[in-house]
Amino acid sequence: DSGVTQTPKHLITATGQRVTLRCSPRSGDLSVYWYQQSLDQGLQFLIQYYNGEERAKGNILERFSAQQFPDLHSELNLSSLELGDSALYFCASSVTGGADTQYFGPGTRLTVL
Amino acid sequence: KNEVEQSPQNLTAQEGEFITINCSYSVGISALHWLQQHPGGGIVSLFMLSSGKKKHGRLIATINIQEKHSSLHITASHPRDSAVYICAAPNYGGSQGNLIFGKGTKLSVKP
Repeated sequence: DSGVTQTPKHLITATGQRVTLRCSPRSGDLSVYWYQQSLDQGLQFLIQYYNGEERAKGNILERFSAQQFPDLHSELNLSSLELGDSALYFCASSVTGGADTQYFGPGTRLTVL
Repeated sequence: KNEVEQSPQNLTAQEGEFITINCSYSVGISALHWLQQHPGGGIVSLFMLSSGKKKHGRLIATINIQEKHSSLHITASHPRDSAVYICAAPNYGGSQGNLIFGKGTKLSVKP
């Protein structure tokens, strides 16, 4: 158990819908990362937050948004869902947000029908 | 932007064999990550290393910063080592947190 929690574990929804994925980092970790893992693209970095502020942005679509709250939990919002958004979404956390070990949550498996 | 290449993509071994997985990257970095993804999907961080060698049980990771190359070795492999092993490096080099990942090496260890 990494200490990072993600909810829900599974999510099945329809095209065009909006969903919210939630992540709680390890106690003491200030940085949260979101990653997407699809069969054809592998693991891809989406976005990083550090202590409530966006620090880095990767291959995140405009239909997706995220935020980190004052209690350091983070939410990833996916809207106007398409079939191709079906993937595993991982959250990870680390202490400094730099070159330190990242601890991964169990992931949320999103299926868009 | 960094590029990360892993080899081999697939690896089948007999229990007890010594295993090596290679990773190379294109932009200089201060640390490289090795991750293990279990068949159930969970990801575990195995190593983060910036120089030399690190060892944890039967796993050994080495890195050569000058040659932009890292290896993950598994000694006395066991069926429970069957998983996908992924190396990852800072996306734009240096010591950034956001990572770019190799495509992974799927390891299957037969009893």
